[in-house]
Amino acid sequence: KAGVTQTPRYLIKTRGQQVTLSCSPISGHRSVSWYQQTPGQGLQFLFEYFSETQRNKGNFPGRFSGRQFSNSRSEMNVSTLELGDSALYLCASSTGESSGNTIYFGEGSWLTVV
Amino acid sequence: SQQGEEDPQALSIQEGENATMNCSYKTSINNLQWYRQNSGRGLVHLILIRSNEREKHSGRLRVTLDTSKKSSSLLITASRAADTASYFCATDHGNNRLAFGKGNQVVVIP
Repeated sequence: KAGVTQTPRYLIKTRGQQVTLSCSPISGHRSVSWYQQTPGQGLQFLFEYFSETQRNKGNFPGRFSGRQFSNSRSEMNVSTLELGDSALYLCASSTGESSGNTIYFGEGSWLTVV
Repeated sequence: SQQGEEDPQALSIQEGENATMNCSYKTSINNLQWYRQNSGRGLVHLILIRSNEREKHSGRLRVTLDTSKKSSSLLITASRAADTASYFCATDHGNNRLAFGKGNQVVVIP
């Protein structure tokens, strides 16, 4: 069974640009969540989707958005990039039908904003 | 949301020794999950322990949970060089939303 797959693994963007990151969850998983990891702030929750609906949202500005498709694949978008958005963005998936499920993470997408 | 807090932050041990990490949290949880992260990589799930469980084992890993003290510990027995990584605890307060601690850096010296 394939794990959580994230693309691209590495990317460099310029301030002001926008970026879209993609995540394919484990087959059968309907919950996809996104996290940002930085040296200063650690791992922070961005948002979680279940069956194409956003169920939870963290404390990030509106420049951070996401969506989930009918096949459970998810994308997150960051607009008007700032230097502080440089981070490892991690996608995670679980069955999501109730709390208490194991949450599996992908390898992440390294974003550098210059 | 409350974050788990691991203690200590960094640990350096000899191969074969045991390593213990602690995690505390502030509000009630549904479950607590431990993860390992190798440098520059994603998070690898180690163990999930539910709020009604006190101890779980997986291979060389032992996790305890004390809900009265709002704390958890991760023990790695007979450590190996390959165990060198950062270890995170994450609390689930519901809705598949994890709150992470700052992590423990473990270095196992061959």
